[in-house]
Amino acid sequence: GENVEQHPSTLSVQEGDSAVIKCTYSDSASNYFPWYKQELGKRPQLIIDIRSNVGEKKDQRIAVTLNKTAKHFSLHITETQPEDSAVYFCAARNNNDMRFGAGTRLTVKP
Amino acid sequence: DAGVIQSPRHEVTEMGQEVTLRCKPISGHNSLFWYRQTMMRGLELLIYFNNNVPIDDSGMPEDRFSAKMPNASFSTLKIQPSEPRDSAVYFCASSRQGGNTGELFFGEGSRLTVL
Repeated sequence: GENVEQHPSTLSVQEGDSAVIKCTYSDSASNYFPWYKQELGKRPQLIIDIRSNVGEKKDQRIAVTLNKTAKHFSLHITETQPEDSAVYFCAARNNNDMRFGAGTRLTVKP
Repeated sequence: DAGVIQSPRHEVTEMGQEVTLRCKPISGHNSLFWYRQTMMRGLELLIYFNNNVPIDDSGMPEDRFSAKMPNASFSTLKIQPSEPRDSAVYFCASSRQGGNTGELFFGEGSRLTVL
């Protein structure tokens, strides 16, 4: 089955700096790559996703890049704000099997 | 739509007791997933259903765990007998079937504590 690796496990940045989280996946048939944000005590919620026919997608301060050849994808958050502090999960989906990375705890220091 | 609805939100039980967690997916969604979240192991996929049929239960930790989906609007995850190591947050999620549609919508989770 699919195996998703995520790095780093924790990330601390100053407000206004950028944050980058990276993931790799193992199943070359995976074709959908979402990123979820989970605040303390809450459910994971989708913040951005990318499909395998696209190399990059941007939504305001967040962007995701995908390299299918290398089987890795990354989340970029620019101009970070304290409210960006949360745990971020990447995932890879092949048909209906959705597997998640271990998560990255992002702390944005004011 | 009210989203994915899970119950109970919190459950505290004693070792050896039976636990039943419930989930109502979003209407029209035909894929349903059960995940377990712990600090040590993150979000683990336990089982998922397509059109009420279990497709992959390889993530179910052992025979003490079972899941059913008797109809399109209801699923249960049962642990019998429960053990302290089962303590975790259990999430149910639903989506439309198909790799190109993608997004999973999560319920608020059921926090289980087994004493």
